[in-house]
Amino acid sequence: KTQVEQSPQSLVVRQGENCVLQCNYSVTPDNHLRWFKQDTGKGLVSLTVLVHENDKTSNGRYSATLDKDAKHSTLHITATLLDDTATYICVVVDRGSALGRLHFGAGTQLIVIP
Amino acid sequence: DMKVTQMPRYLIKRMGENVLLECGQDMSHETMYWYRQDPGLGLQLIYISYDVDSNSEGDIPKGYRVSRKKREHFSLILDSAKTNQTSVYFCASSSRENSDYTFGSGTRLLVI
Repeated sequence: KTQVEQSPQSLVVRQGENCVLQCNYSVTPDNHLRWFKQDTGKGLVSLTVLVHENDKTSNGRYSATLDKDAKHSTLHITATLLDDTATYICVVVDRGSALGRLHFGAGTQLIVIP
Repeated sequence: DMKVTQMPRYLIKRMGENVLLECGQDMSHETMYWYRQDPGLGLQLIYISYDVDSNSEGDIPKGYRVSRKKREHFSLILDSAKTNQTSVYFCASSSRENSDYTFGSGTRLLVI
């Protein structure tokens, strides 16, 4: 059973436009949520970590929100660049172990065109 | 530069052959992971290692085994590879201190 659902599955935007990626999850208990960026053929690179209810984070042009009640997170990318073309993966970490167990979404493939 | 290094990057094997995937990290992280990534699916956990010789099965351990004899090195072994083990394999490490996660660049395995 998929516990982390991401939408849309893929997205095409023009350079300079903004976009919003969604993540809904059913993982319980949820310790924190992370967004990763995966360039084609590369590993996952951490963008942001959200820990608390109604957390908001910002990392340059990337910003994210977390609603723990609704088990929902969004990743906003403003003024997209061609280099933003990648797969964005939502990961929910539970409290099952001392370190936490990672639950991965399938990712949203973002394509930024000129 | 802190990183997780995976070798090889690409590998083609025949069905029934043995496969060894290597992973190293230079951050002295206690915990290391092996995942596989298939199209349309999230990363799936194969094995987790909490430290040297302290390994636990993940969600899909069947057909795989691991070895961790040094903290900085974690190997994934496929004894008698199967075609359904064609995938991209990722190694990752994390520290209990700050629970930050670092991923390798992946090994693309094709079993024919």
